[in-house]
Amino acid sequence: KAGVTQTPRYLIKTRGQQVTLSCSPISGHRSVSWYQQTPGQGLQFLFEYFSETQRNKGNFPGRFSGRQFSNSRSEMNVSTLELGDSALYLCASSLGDSPYTEAFFGQGTRLTVV
Amino acid sequence: AQTVTQSQPEMSVQEAETVTLSCTYDTSESDYYLFWYKQPPSRQMILVIRQEAYKQQNATENRFSVNFQKAAKSFSLKISDSQLGDAAMYFCAYRSGRGGGADGLTFGKGTHLIIQP
Repeated sequence: KAGVTQTPRYLIKTRGQQVTLSCSPISGHRSVSWYQQTPGQGLQFLFEYFSETQRNKGNFPGRFSGRQFSNSRSEMNVSTLELGDSALYLCASSLGDSPYTEAFFGQGTRLTVV
Repeated sequence: AQTVTQSQPEMSVQEAETVTLSCTYDTSESDYYLFWYKQPPSRQMILVIRQEAYKQQNATENRFSVNFQKAAKSFSLKISDSQLGDAAMYFCAYRSGRGGGADGLTFGKGTHLIIQP
């Protein structure tokens, strides 16, 4: 069974631009969550979607947004990029919305803002 | 807000020996879940073991076990018979049961585990 697929794997953007990252969950998984990983702040929760509804959002500015489609694929968008947005963005999918359900992570998208 | 603390930035162990990674957390909630994730150089986070807070029995998965001390808010990971493939960053994580866990995982800063052959 295919794992969580994130595209692209690497991305270089210029400050002020916007970017869209994509996440295809494991087949049958309805929950998708996003995390930002940086050396300074570590892993931080961005948002979680279940059946196309955003369940919650972490402490990030409105420049960070996301959505989930009917096939459970998810995208996250960052507008007006700042240097501090450079990070590894990880997507995780899980079968249901239970907090105990195992989250399966993708390999991430490495975003560099110059 | 909940916090997770991993006090050991780096640990080193000889192959085949046992190592324990520390994790403490701070919460006022009674319904929560704890996890250990492993992140090898490939960057893909892999679940190692998980524990439901209401269960007193410590979770075990093959060579991996936890020591869950609820009153002390401690959740350490023990790796027995360490193997070269265990080398990775290990993250302790907390998830609230409130709202069905919609707050996502709260991670510690991680412990870099080195396995000496």
